[in-house]
Amino acid sequence: AQSVAQPEDQVNVAEGNPLTVKCTYSVSGNPYLFWYVQYPNRGLQFLLKYITGDNLVKGSYGFEAEFNKSQTSFHLKKPSALVSDSALYFCAVRDSNSGNTGKLIFGQGTTLQVKP
Amino acid sequence: KAGVTQTPRYLIKTRGQQVTLSCSPISGHRSVSWYQQTPGQGLQFLFEYFSETQRNKGNFPGRFSGRQFSNSRSEMNVSTLELGDSALYLCASSLSLAGGDEQFFGPGTRLTVL
Repeated sequence: AQSVAQPEDQVNVAEGNPLTVKCTYSVSGNPYLFWYVQYPNRGLQFLLKYITGDNLVKGSYGFEAEFNKSQTSFHLKKPSALVSDSALYFCAVRDSNSGNTGKLIFGQGTTLQVKP
Repeated sequence: KAGVTQTPRYLIKTRGQQVTLSCSPISGHRSVSWYQQTPGQGLQFLFEYFSETQRNKGNFPGRFSGRQFSNSRSEMNVSTLELGDSALYLCASSLSLAGGDEQFFGPGTRLTVL
């Protein structure tokens, strides 16, 4: 079965330090991977995606993610965290078992807390 | 370009009632998907529409239904509401069903069932 796992419920980091939010996936075939962020009482905002090509993907607000096929991981990173980055982060994979579909399978989410 | 809009933003209903939620996708987007978000189950896929046709459906009971209109706007309906239907319902749109197209989410409709 296809799945996404975010092993940490919460990540705490000091402002200015680098941050990593972890994600591993299990899919059949080539994965299409996405990161989204959710602020309180808001919908999900798209950060970045991996389709093919370079393993390091750059996205919005200074975020980037590293795709590692051998480890089936797609960790989200940022060199220097901001307090305003504090939010709920979701990793997602496109369902490749349902034919031509946009259906996303989400991880359970990781709360990022950046302290001043 | 305007984003995905959802109406209403908040709803309070009682058990047994029915509810209709509306979603207007980004202009030019033809695919609309719906997700349910709860603290316990996280984000779960409800259904997906493209060109007025339901293309995919999640594991939800038949009380949950939806449709898409010719202008790509979509509605979802929940009949005979249960307490467990309390959730944030998110609508997302994308250009097509191509695997690489990212989905853009609306702000959601917060449904509370009393």
